[in-house]
Amino acid sequence: AQSVTQLGSHVSVSEGALVLLRCNYSSSVPPYLFWYVQYPNQGLQLLLKYTSAATLVKGINGFEAEFKKSETSFHLTKPSAHMSDAAEYFCAVRPMDSSYKLIFGSGTRLLVRP
Amino acid sequence: DAEITQSPRHKITETGRQVTLACHQTWNHNNMFWYRQDLGHGLRLIHYSYGVQDTNKGEVSDGYSVSRSNTEDLPLTLESAASSQTSVYFCASSGGGAGNYEQYFGPGTRLTVT
Repeated sequence: AQSVTQLGSHVSVSEGALVLLRCNYSSSVPPYLFWYVQYPNQGLQLLLKYTSAATLVKGINGFEAEFKKSETSFHLTKPSAHMSDAAEYFCAVRPMDSSYKLIFGSGTRLLVRP
Repeated sequence: DAEITQSPRHKITETGRQVTLACHQTWNHNNMFWYRQDLGHGLRLIHYSYGVQDTNKGEVSDGYSVSRSNTEDLPLTLESAASSQTSVYFCASSGGGAGNYEQYFGPGTRLTVT
C-alpha cells in the first residue's frame, strides 16, 4: 500500500530563514502529490500539487516543491520564512488504485521564531 | 464563489446520543469525503462518496454512517456518540475526472462527547 512519510513532527526556523519540510512517498510509479497547509482552527488549504507536468512546482505564498523520483521525495521549501507561515503542513499522495482518495502524512508543525 | 461549509462549527453532546454533522458544497463536485483529525493520528478517512447514492467505508468507519441523496450534501451521523469520537471533523470534496484529485476542505466541526 502506498504511504507518505513526513520527517519531523515539528520544525522551527527563524524569520527570514529557509523553510524545508520533508516528504517521502512510496510508489512504484510517479504519483499525484500534494502539499496542504492548515492554520489554527481552519480547514486544510491546497498549497501546490504535482501532476507530472514539471518536477518543480510553485505554489501559493512563495512555497515550492521539487519532485525527485530517484529519492521518492517531494520536499516543500520557501526561501525566507515569515511569521505568517506558522502552521501545520501536510503532504498527501493519491494512491495508484484509480480511486479519488488521498493518503495524508502525519503533518509537520512549522514554528517561526522572531 | 464556490465553497464547502460545515455545520455546526462546535457541538457538545452526551454519550449515547445520535449526532448529525452537515456538509454542503457548491462546487458541484462528485466526490465527497469525511475525515477526523486527532493529535498524533493526522487525518483519518471515515466515509466517502463518489456520487449520489454511492457511499463507501474508510479506515475508521465504525460508529459512523453517511448518506448521499444529492450532489451538494454528505451528512455524517454518529449513531450513538462515544467519548472516543470527540474530535475535529472535516468534510472535503473533489471534482473527479482525470487529474482532478485535489480535495477542498471545509472549516471543520469540533465535536465534544461528554
